[in-house]
Amino acid sequence: QSALTQPPSASGSPGQSVTISCTGTSSDVGGYNYVSWYQQHPGKAPKLLIYEVSKRPSGIPDRFSGSKSGNTASLTVSGLQAEDEADYYCTSYAGSNNLGVFGGGTKLTVL
Amino acid sequence: EVQLLESGGGMVQPGGSLRLSCAASGFTFSNSVMRWVRQAPGKGLEWVSVISSNGGTTYYADSVKGRFSISRDNSKNTLYLEMNSLRAEDTAIYYCAKANLYSSKYGMDVWGQGTTVTVSS
Repeated sequence: QSALTQPPSASGSPGQSVTISCTGTSSDVGGYNYVSWYQQHPGKAPKLLIYEVSKRPSGIPDRFSGSKSGNTASLTVSGLQAEDEADYYCTSYAGSNNLGVFGGGTKLTVL
Repeated sequence: EVQLLESGGGMVQPGGSLRLSCAASGFTFSNSVMRWVRQAPGKGLEWVSVISSNGGTTYYADSVKGRFSISRDNSKNTLYLEMNSLRAEDTAIYYCAKANLYSSKYGMDVWGQGTTVTVSS
């Protein structure tokens, strides 16, 4: 099973918005509405930002939003802040009897 | 406080074995689907294994199938990963994680701090 495709890097200035894409196939992203996004700061454990394509866990600011169209999911970070500089990973459910698959990660730089 | 605490990492020679543990607290462990995830140095995240709440169902990444075994002791609120025939490519930080809303379809909402496994001669 192939990894989901994410751009290796993205950047934006404070206050701006940036969108990170995550492209899979009809067997994962396109086939289910179970895409999750994680944020990982250096040396820290990942943190769940988005689940079920667009839902936010308690405590996650609404600056973080998710969407999906066809085989591509997207994470948008609005009103960029310095602390948003981190690695971001997408993952998708890919059916039962399957662990699912991660994207390769995107390093977000706040200029 | 909801918490996961991994232990058992270390340095081991190729072909060796290690047993990782993950102690859970602050939530109903016996109702939770749990996963192990790893991250090789400078690399991305990789799902390793998942276990159902009662331990009856497990799945593994192809890269570890037949060498790693996930298990849990709900009476001790502890998750395990038995790793055998270790290879250099198993070198990574290993995280345990709890499924959100009792299914990992909804992401993993609690993560441990990770334990480092180094396979080297």
